[in-house]
Amino acid sequence: DVKVTQSSRYLVKRTGEKVFLECVQDMDHENMFWYRQDPGLGLRLIYFSYDVKMKEKGDIPEGYSVSREKKERFSLILESASTNQTSMYLCASSKWLGENTEAFFGQGTRLTVV
Amino acid sequence: LAKTTQPISMDSYEGQEVNITCSHNNIATNDYITWYQQFPSQGPRFIIQGYKTKVTNEVASLFIPADRKSSTLSLPRVSLSDTAVYYCLVYNTDKLIFGTGTRLQVFP
Repeated sequence: DVKVTQSSRYLVKRTGEKVFLECVQDMDHENMFWYRQDPGLGLRLIYFSYDVKMKEKGDIPEGYSVSREKKERFSLILESASTNQTSMYLCASSKWLGENTEAFFGQGTRLTVV
Repeated sequence: LAKTTQPISMDSYEGQEVNITCSHNNIATNDYITWYQQFPSQGPRFIIQGYKTKVTNEVASLFIPADRKSSTLSLPRVSLSDTAVYYCLVYNTDKLIFGTGTRLQVFP
């Protein structure tokens, strides 16, 4: 079974803290994605990566950065956490996007910034 | 990137067939149409993908007309466990963009 593992299920951080959300996949997938999900807004893409050390901005990259030093690991970094970054964060991975490919998601990290 | 539009919510009863339609007027020639399902407190999971005509698997069917400007996800004989949010995505080799999805509520 494909597995995408996020390091924490729940996190509580203080405003201004630097926060690291880690995601690891075990299927040698090229693509990895970070989303946040808020009620009524669906899933919004923050950043994605199609290869080691490569990153592309999604729709809402402001306030976030990412790191992909190894193929299996994709980290989302909140440089200075703010209360409006309280959300559910979802990581996903996939092979190259095209015919008969699908993305696999982690269980999510619910982050609360106080 | 083709934008998708789908109903915000739908209600159904157990045993009924449910059809959720997605509009994607700007779909490109090489784009694929994919549907995902998401249960509360879980990440989305892949249901079905198609390019044209009809695709069927053990979970659902996907109908795509010749102009490919829309697609319909069909869930036969839904049960309470099909209550979830369903997302329609259109992509080629680009990033995966989810919309707000369709919240399906199945009643007994």
